[in-house]
Amino acid sequence: AQKVTQAQTEISVVEKEDVTLDCVYETRDTTYYLFWYKQPPSGELVFLIRRNSFDEQNEISGRYSWNFQKSTSSFNFTITASQVVDSAVYFCALTRNAGNMLTFGGGTRLMVKP
Amino acid sequence: DTGVSQNPRHKITKRGQNVTFRCDPISEHNRLYWYRQTLGQGPEFLTYFQNEAQLEKSRLLSDRFSAERPKGSFSTLEIQRTEQGDSAMYLCASSLLKQGTETQYFGPGTRLLVL
Repeated sequence: AQKVTQAQTEISVVEKEDVTLDCVYETRDTTYYLFWYKQPPSGELVFLIRRNSFDEQNEISGRYSWNFQKSTSSFNFTITASQVVDSAVYFCALTRNAGNMLTFGGGTRLMVKP
Repeated sequence: DTGVSQNPRHKITKRGQNVTFRCDPISEHNRLYWYRQTLGQGPEFLTYFQNEAQLEKSRLLSDRFSAERPKGSFSTLEIQRTEQGDSAMYLCASSLLKQGTETQYFGPGTRLLVL
């Protein structure tokens, strides 16, 4: 069975602070994909990144960066110089293999205060 | 390129009534997924289609739930004899399965409240 754990249910930071959202996953598959989605107050899930299990390179996209470590089954997400617009619920998710249903974590609510 | 659309956005119904939701995927996407999200939780998988074929259903999907995707385009999710426990956000996502990989793009959801 697959499982995704986001231990931080809520994080509050002040604008311009860096913040890291943790994600730990469990799977028995050797091939799998990891995702991060953002859910702003409007409710729509917005895709941020997809990473396959064979690619452990860290990725940076603007103020966002992701650290994938197979050894610890973690796929953490860092926002540098946070902004109020980053306030949302962030979900980490896992697919059993390519082309399948997503298993989501419980989400981390990020509040960025001005 | 328009995104995934869902209608209605909100639905209030009385217990015991039937409701139907519609999802229009991104054009040319061959897969369509339904998820349910309750307050403070992550989305949970309900069912998915590849073209018009329904390939998998979750155990969460009781006999009161049925989904269709005629002609492999839009999809409908019907809940019969609604119960208060059905109150949730129903999310639809679509994807293009290509060379064994896909990314699911979500619609805005339909928020259901059963009184």
